[in-house]
Amino acid sequence: GENVEQHPSTLSVQEGDSAVIKCTYSDSASNYFPWYKQELGKRPQLIIDIRSNVGEKKDQRIAVTLNKTAKHFSLHITETQPEDSAVYFCAASITPNTGNQFYFGTGTSLTVIP
Amino acid sequence: NAGVMQNPRHLVRRRGQEARLRCSPVKGHSHVYWYRQLPEEGLKFMVYLQKENIIDESGMPKERFSAEFPKEGPSILRIQQVVRGDSAAYFCASSPFPGQGQETQYFGPGTRLLVL
Repeated sequence: GENVEQHPSTLSVQEGDSAVIKCTYSDSASNYFPWYKQELGKRPQLIIDIRSNVGEKKDQRIAVTLNKTAKHFSLHITETQPEDSAVYFCAASITPNTGNQFYFGTGTSLTVIP
Repeated sequence: NAGVMQNPRHLVRRRGQEARLRCSPVKGHSHVYWYRQLPEEGLKFMVYLQKENIIDESGMPKERFSAEFPKEGPSILRIQQVVRGDSAAYFCASSPFPGQGQETQYFGPGTRLLVL
């Protein structure tokens, strides 16, 4: 099955700096890649997603890039703010598919230092 | 969104007891997924259900765990004879239909199970 690896596991940045989180996947059939943000004790919230027919997607301070050949995708957060501090999870999925399960990375704990 | 609802939010059980976790999907969503999150770890897929059908249970332990999504009412994840290793956060997610453009899964707040 699919294996998603995520790096780094922890990341500290100064407020205003950029943060980059990287994920790799193993199954070349994966075609949908969401990113979730999870604050302590809260539910995972979708922040951005990308499909395999697109190389890059941006939403204000958040962007995701996808390299299908290398099977990796990255989350970029610019002008970080303290409220960006949370655990971020990447995931990969094959859709449409009878399973449609998400394979999650192990998470990156981001701390933005004021 | 009106949101995926899960209850209880916290559940304490002694070893050997049963745990029953409930999930009500977003209104109009007919697909439910259960994930388990161990402390300091990512989310692991357990089971995918549609109304009255289990589509994929490849991530669910073969013994003691079962799930259902009846025609009426919430989806239920049942853990029988709980052991300490079952202590985790259990998240439910729902989607309208896992087709192109409908892949997004919306997560509930989770049930945090503690087995004493």
